Amino acid sequence: SSELTQDPGVSVALGQTVRITCQGDSLRSYYATWYQQKPGQAPVVVIYGKDNRPSGIPDRFSGSSSGNTASLTITGVQAEDEADFYCSSRDNSGDPHVVFGGGTKLTVL
Amino acid sequence: QLQLQESGPGLVKPSETMSLTCTVSGGSVSSSTNYWGWIRQPPGKGLEWIGSLFYSGSTYYNPSLQSRVTMFVDTSNNQFSLRLRSVTAADTAVYYCARLLLTYWYFDLWGRGSLVTVSS
Repeated sequence: SSELTQDPGVSVALGQTVRITCQGDSLRSYYATWYQQKPGQAPVVVIYGKDNRPSGIPDRFSGSSSGNTASLTITGVQAEDEADFYCSSRDNSGDPHVVFGGGTKLTVL
Repeated sequence: QLQLQESGPGLVKPSETMSLTCTVSGGSVSSSTNYWGWIRQPPGKGLEWIGSLFYSGSTYYNPSLQSRVTMFVDTSNNQFSLRLRSVTAADTAVYYCARLLLTYWYFDLWGRGSLVTVSS
């Protein structure tokens, strides 16, 4: 099965821009989905598809992809953006499995 | 508005079988536009996909758990369920049920999660 690799932690100053990346072979074939998870809460989708935001997600969140790497960019980071971020995609093994990245802890300084 | 709610025992003994049910409200478990899924998260760790199922009965399981997992849909009660056999302490986790949209293959709607602890 496929694997998705994320950096364990990223720090960013308040108001700056941060990019969180996700690497994996499945991303050459399928879009990544990005989830934000705050302590004690279920994950929430922030980006899906090419660069789609569900209703209620601020437009400072955006997504992009190139080759085997998907990126989540947060422009003008807010204190409330501090959270764990997970990428996921459909597995490219043939069966419609799902694979998650290990997660990135975003710290807002 | 569709909502999902997990239910089941919070404590399971090692070697036993854990069972969780997800109740779908505000919509139908028999939808043909999505799958349903289970995801778990051990304390302090990341998300792990357990498996997905369609209302017709088609199931797909994480290869690492396939030998111990069973999922099924109960259309009469608008629910779907997870059973995990021969549990160990490593199966201690928050278990989430979620809706898997087929358009971009992502979980757009999640339950609040149910903590299952495996301990004697």
